[in-house]
Amino acid sequence: AQKVTQAQTEISVVEKEDVTLDCVYETRDTTYYLFWYKQPPSGELVFLIRRNSFDEQNEISGRYSWNFQKSTSSFNFTITASQVVDSAVYFCALSEAERYTGTASKLTFGTGTRLQVTL
Amino acid sequence: ETGVTQSPTHLIKTRGQQVTLRCSSQSGHNTVSWYQQALGQGPQFIFQYYREEENGRGNFPPRFSGLQFPNYSSELNVNALELDDSALYLCASSPTLDEATNEKLFFGSGTQLSVL
Repeated sequence: AQKVTQAQTEISVVEKEDVTLDCVYETRDTTYYLFWYKQPPSGELVFLIRRNSFDEQNEISGRYSWNFQKSTSSFNFTITASQVVDSAVYFCALSEAERYTGTASKLTFGTGTRLQVTL
Repeated sequence: ETGVTQSPTHLIKTRGQQVTLRCSSQSGHNTVSWYQQALGQGPQFIFQYYREEENGRGNFPPRFSGLQFPNYSSELNVNALELDDSALYLCASSPTLDEATNEKLFFGSGTQLSVL
């Protein structure tokens, strides 16, 4: 069975601080995908990044960066110089590679980390 | 803006009733998934439809059922509503098979269902 653990329930930071959201996963699959989604108060889940299990390169996109470490089954997300607009709930998710449809849409989500950025 | 729209946005039902939630995907998205998100929790996978057939189901009872139509719009039906069914129901669609894009799920804003 797949499992995603986000141990941090809520994090509060002051604007411009860096913040790291932790994600630890469990799976018996050798091929899988890892995701991060942002959920603002509107409720819509906004896709941030996907990583497949064979790509351990870290990625940076503007103020966002992701650290994938297969050895520790972790996929952590860092926001540099946080802003008030970053306030949201962030979900880490895991999916097996779907051989039938080719899509990775049966996601197992963590419980989320609520990030509050204040001035 | 993901192009995935859900209706209604909010719904109040009483225990024992039946409910139908609707989702309209982007054109060309032939896979749709439904998720249930209880308050303070992460979304839980209900089921997925691919080309109008169910393709995988999470740990939900048979009173949760779905349909996908030829135009790839979708419905989630829940019979015999229980208080614990109160949650945000999210629909997500995926584009056609394409190595570059098929990993993305596009979510709607959800339907908030309250069962009294």
